[in-house]
Amino acid sequence: QVKLLQSGAALVKPGASVKMSCKASGYTFTDYWVSWVKQSHGKSLEWIGEIYPNSGATNFNEKFKGKATLTVDKSTSTAYMELSRLTSEDSAIYYCTRTPTVGAFWFAYWGQGTLVTVSS
Amino acid sequence: DIQMTQSPASLSASLGETVTIECRASEDIYNGLAWYQQKPGKSPQLLIYNANSLHTGVPSRFSGSGSGTQYSLKINSLQSEDVASYFCQQYYDYPFTFGSGTKLEIK
Repeated sequence: QVKLLQSGAALVKPGASVKMSCKASGYTFTDYWVSWVKQSHGKSLEWIGEIYPNSGATNFNEKFKGKATLTVDKSTSTAYMELSRLTSEDSAIYYCTRTPTVGAFWFAYWGQGTLVTVSS
Repeated sequence: DIQMTQSPASLSASLGETVTIECRASEDIYNGLAWYQQKPGKSPQLLIYNANSLHTGVPSRFSGSGSGTQYSLKINSLQSEDVASYFCQQYYDYPFTFGSGTKLEIK
């Protein structure tokens, strides 16, 4: 079955960067876009962007351009998101997600989330 | 960006009741809408896609409807396990955007 296993919680200092991972299993990693979604404490969800593992092509929410970098390692079926120049506004849970079928844009599969806390 | 206005922000209902949550898009999204359920401490789970298609394994007491800019999620015969937050998401256009959420509690 499809699984997305995310890396553990991170405590990082303001101004630093953090890189989190999302290891996929149960399907052909290169066939499906992987999206990343932010959920700030007690708030709603924001779509950050997506990456197509086969080619490395990306689409971003303008709000997160310059903040988030998306990459993949096809050899380990792992997607990565790096967030740079962190501030308290970046403290949130970050989810990786996958659509159920090629050509779909809704998210049927979610990782368990990575909690990022930005604090000195 | 397409804005998704979701209402109500919170809702309290009795077991067995029927509840409705609404989402209004800032422009026509041509049924490009999904609904998610998020229980405390858990990841969101897909309920509905294409405005009215039930995702595999989701109980039939959940249903979606709407068109154009107005969409709704209905939960029939409310169960205790339905206590959660619910979010809509439009995927008609980039960037994908979500509603602000509805927190459902049992009276």
